Amino acid sequence: AQTVTQSQPEMSVQEAETVTLSCTYDTSESDYYLFWYKQPPSRQMILVIRQEAYKQQNATENRFSVNFQKAAKSFSLKISDSQLGDAAMYFCAYRSVEGDDKIIFGKGTRLHILP
Amino acid sequence: EAQVTQNPRYLITVTGKKLTVTCSQNMNHEYMSWYRQDPGLGLRQIYYSMNVEVTDKGDVPEGYKVSRKEKRNFPLILESPSPNQTSLYFCASSLLAGALNEQFFGPGTRLTVL
Repeated sequence: AQTVTQSQPEMSVQEAETVTLSCTYDTSESDYYLFWYKQPPSRQMILVIRQEAYKQQNATENRFSVNFQKAAKSFSLKISDSQLGDAAMYFCAYRSVEGDDKIIFGKGTRLHILP
Repeated sequence: EAQVTQNPRYLITVTGKKLTVTCSQNMNHEYMSWYRQDPGLGLRQIYYSMNVEVTDKGDVPEGYKVSRKEKRNFPLILESPSPNQTSLYFCASSLLAGALNEQFFGPGTRLTVL
């Protein structure tokens, strides 16, 4: 069974600085999708960025980018120029392509932005 | 407006009293899913549905039932709720199963079982 691990329950970063949130996963599948979701205090889940496993190129969305290392099964999220509005819980998620269509989330990393 | 709606948003109930949390999406999505969120455990998938009349168990299906009679609705049923089902519940939908499609989440339902 697939698993997703976020080893940092909480992190803090100074406003305007860069922070990296880690995510590792375990799977025997060769094709899958990976996602980062943001959950601000409003509790709404918001997609931040997504990556297809068969694509070598790392996904980028404005200030958000990922470092996808397929062999290492690592999918870290980098937030550049951190802003106060980035303060939230961040979840890494794995979506299977082969077999069943379960979606597995990590336990989350709470990110604090220090003014 | 494209959205996933859940009702009720908040619910306090007692052990054993059957309840249903409704979920509806207006985006003609095929895939719908229920999650529960608990502190320190992240989101865990309860059930999912790849299309009408097709449902499958997620990681924590015990104590829950679902049905998918119409494409837009995916209710979550707790036949005999227990205190360990106190949680924050999210319904989500995406266009297709097994794809890169974004999941759209409902606003969440905070359930307390006394």
